[in-house]
Amino acid sequence: DIVMTQSPASLAVSLGERATIHCKSNQSVLNKYNDKKYVSWFQQKPGQSPKLLIYWASTRESGVPDRFSGSGSGTDFTLRISALQAEDVAVYYCQQYYSIPPGFGGGTKVEIK
Amino acid sequence: QVQLAESGGGVVQPGGSLRLACGTSGFKFDNYGFHWVRQAPGKGLEWVAFIANDESNIYYAESVKGRFTISRDTSKNSVYLQMSILRGDDTALYFCAKGPSGKSYGIDVWGQGTMVIVSS
Repeated sequence: DIVMTQSPASLAVSLGERATIHCKSNQSVLNKYNDKKYVSWFQQKPGQSPKLLIYWASTRESGVPDRFSGSGSGTDFTLRISALQAEDVAVYYCQQYYSIPPGFGGGTKVEIK
Repeated sequence: QVQLAESGGGVVQPGGSLRLACGTSGFKFDNYGFHWVRQAPGKGLEWVAFIANDESNIYYAESVKGRFTISRDTSKNSVYLQMSILRGDDTALYFCAKGPSGKSYGIDVWGQGTMVIVSS
């Protein structure tokens, strides 16, 4: 199974500052035939269901603010929030969908400092 | 507008059974695969099961294999999760989630979830 390891588990950032979340897979999730990285990022606000932010590691879902960006190689991925807003307080999860089981990282709780 | 609505959760005794349903609307049901994902209280997300658009691929997490069955009904635009031999560690909020295509293992839309509590 591909295991996704997220860090840090929690993060406190001042309003307007950058937040960076890391996710590492124990195997490559890069499909060499289509050059796509099978990683998504989700945001889950308190009391809500998760919401898709980023897919293919770096493609922003429609309607997602451009302060959210994703990047990464075959095994190391990053979600950045360029200027944290109060409404960004949430738990963020990465997920690989390269193979079954499509596992999630453990989550990163982002709070305001 | 794409919508997923889960139902069927509740309190069940250990060893019991429960059937969850996920009603869908706002898109062509036949074109998409679906997942069930669960979240134990205060914990992270755990993938449970996947069914492809044409039912050609069905997969389960090891923790539920042999006890849970995922299915779909095109006539009702619905996805189901039949759960049996329930255990305490099955207690969780169960989300139905839509894939971005028929056979992709990704997720693009989530429902609001239905709570399952396994307790005597």
